[in-house]
Amino acid sequence: DAGVTQSPTHLIKTRGQQVTLRCSPKSGHDTVSWYQQALGQGPQFIFQYYEEEERQRGNFPDRFSGHQFPNYSSELNVNALLLGDSALYLCASGEAGGVWYEQFFGPGTRLTVL
Amino acid sequence: AQKITQTQPGMFVQEKEAVTLDCTYDTSDQSYGLFWYKQPSSGEMIFLIYQGSYDEQNATEGRYSLNFQKARKSANLVISASQLGDSAMYFCAMRAPYSGGGADGLTFGKGTHLIIQP
Repeated sequence: DAGVTQSPTHLIKTRGQQVTLRCSPKSGHDTVSWYQQALGQGPQFIFQYYEEEERQRGNFPDRFSGHQFPNYSSELNVNALLLGDSALYLCASGEAGGVWYEQFFGPGTRLTVL
Repeated sequence: AQKITQTQPGMFVQEKEAVTLDCTYDTSDQSYGLFWYKQPSSGEMIFLIYQGSYDEQNATEGRYSLNFQKARKSANLVISASQLGDSAMYFCAMRAPYSGGGADGLTFGKGTHLIIQP
C-alpha cells in the first residue's frame, strides 16, 4: 500500500516564476493538507482540500493556490515566486470520515528560489 | 488560535539515557489532539505519538511516552533508553477535529534538535 507521494523531490526556480507541486494521498484518504517548512522552522499550515474544495487556509497570501482532483490527488501552485518561498513543502493526507487525528506525511518537495 | 511552544532549541544526551522534550500549548478548543513528530535530516515527518485531550491515560508507544498535564497545558515527550538513531528534529504539534469531518491543519512548534552522543 503506497503512502503519500510527492513530486518533484527537488526544484529550482527563479524569482517571479510560477511553480506547481504535486501530491498523491495514501490509499483511502480523501483530504490533503499542504505545509511550508522554512529552514530551521516548524512546518506552517498552508491549506487543506476536501471534496475538491479548499476548506481551511492558514496565513498565506493568494499567491499560494491549490487544487484537488476527483482522484483526491492535489496540486500546490505558487505564483510570482519570492526568495522567501524557498522551503520544504510537505503534503499530508487523512480521511475525513475516519479517525480524525490520523495524518500521514509525504517526503516533501524542496523548493529553492534563486 | 492555537499555539505550541518548544523552549529547547537543542539538546545533547548520552546514549541509553532517558530524555524529556518540553512542549506547552495554548488553545480555546475543548477537543484537540497533541502530537509528536520526528524529522531526520532526510526531511520526512515521522509520527511518533498522539494524545487526545479527553484521554485520561498518558499515551505510550514503545520507547516513547507523552507526559500529558492538561491543567498546565503541557505535553512533554519522554524517550526512554535513547539510541544514536534518535538524533533528529522533534516537533510538537496540535490540531482540533473539524466540524465537517476530519481535522484542522496542524499547528507546529519550532522544534528541538536532539543529538544523542555515544
